[in-house]
Amino acid sequence: KAGVTQTPRYLIKTRGQQVTLSCSPISGHRSVSWYQQTPGQGLQFLFEYFSETQRNKGNFPGRFSGRQFSNSRSEMNVSTLELGDSALYLCASSSGQAWANEKLFFGSGTQLSVL
Amino acid sequence: KQEVTQIPAALSVPEGENLVLNCSFTDSAIYNLQWFRQDPGKGLTSLLLIQSSQREQTSGRLNASLDKSSGRSTLYIAASQPGDSATYLCAVSSDDYKLSFGAGTTVTVRA
Repeated sequence: KAGVTQTPRYLIKTRGQQVTLSCSPISGHRSVSWYQQTPGQGLQFLFEYFSETQRNKGNFPGRFSGRQFSNSRSEMNVSTLELGDSALYLCASSSGQAWANEKLFFGSGTQLSVL
Repeated sequence: KQEVTQIPAALSVPEGENLVLNCSFTDSAIYNLQWFRQDPGKGLTSLLLIQSSQREQTSGRLNASLDKSSGRSTLYIAASQPGDSATYLCAVSSDDYKLSFGAGTTVTVRA
């Protein structure tokens, strides 16, 4: 069974640009949640999608958005990039919603560097 | 807001020694607590999930306990091996339907 796939693995962008990250969950999983990991703030919850609907959102500005398609694949978009957006972005999939008693399966992440 | 703390931030032990990792949380109204392992530059791997109604979970050399009333969980790794070297994170699922992560404990097992 294939794991969670995140693309691209690495990205370099400049301030003001926008970026789209992709996450393909494990087959049959309906939930995809996104997290930002930085050395200073650790792992922080961005948002969760379940059956194409955003179910919950963390404390991030509106520049961070996402969507989920009918095949459960999810994309995350960051507009008007800032230097502070440099981070490892991780997605996780689960069969039910992430906050419930569900084991999460993480991808290897997308390392975003903003110059 | 749920706050999750892991102490110590780093730990170095000789091979064969038992590991004890601590996780504390401020709000006892949780659905579950999950322990993860993260290798450098990689994603997280779920080790154990303890539901709020459970006191502990075991898998092989790993045992995790949960004391909801005191806001604590402990991960025990028996007979540590160099391959156990990694960062271990705990995450708490709270009644705001979000996961809150600790900063992690980085473990080095010396051969």
